[in-house]
Amino acid sequence: DIQVTQSPSSLPASVGDRVTITCQASEDINKYLNWYQQKPGKAPKLLIYDTSKLETGVPSRFSGSRSGTYFWLTITTLQPDDFATYYCQQYDNIPYTFGRGTKLEIK
Amino acid sequence: EVQLVESGGDLVQPGGSLRLSCAASGFTFGNYWMNWVRQTPSKGLEWVANINHNGSGRYYVDSVKGRFSISRDNDKNSLYLHLNNLRAEDTALYYCTRGAGYGDDAWGQGTLVTVSP
Repeated sequence: DIQVTQSPSSLPASVGDRVTITCQASEDINKYLNWYQQKPGKAPKLLIYDTSKLETGVPSRFSGSRSGTYFWLTITTLQPDDFATYYCQQYDNIPYTFGRGTKLEIK
Repeated sequence: EVQLVESGGDLVQPGGSLRLSCAASGFTFGNYWMNWVRQTPSKGLEWVANINHNGSGRYYVDSVKGRFSISRDNDKNSLYLHLNNLRAEDTALYYCTRGAGYGDDAWGQGTLVTVSP
């Protein structure tokens, strides 16, 4: 199975900050890496798919990028609504595997 | 509006069985792959199984192979997960998700399965 290593597990930040979350796949997954946002008590929500494509309705302050097996989610100018937990997921091979999550917390 | 509503979660003893259901609405159900994904505080999100449009293709994570079975009824716009020989480690919130081909673009609210004596 493909492993996806996500870091950091916790990320303190302030409104207006720029933050970056990293996921590394254990092997080549091409562009097939997704990012989800989850708020307490709610289901995850797809934010970005195929490394860098924004799901409909997702603000442009969210972006995704890749270099080899490294993937990044960047949020510029953090808004209060962005404090949540973020997960990456590889969608290249079954079983589709998730990272362990990054909790974006208010500093 | 796309909606997925899970049901069937319960407290069950180890070795027991359950059937989870997911009622879909707001889209053409038979056009989509569907998935079950589970979540626990300790292990996070785990993809469990998926099924193709007409049910002819079904795939599972190794830990549930031979114990869980995914199925669908396109006439009833419903997805199912049959859970057999349940173990403590199957305790989780189970989500039904829609596979858009590039990711899971719709999720239900989840149904809780608890396996305990």
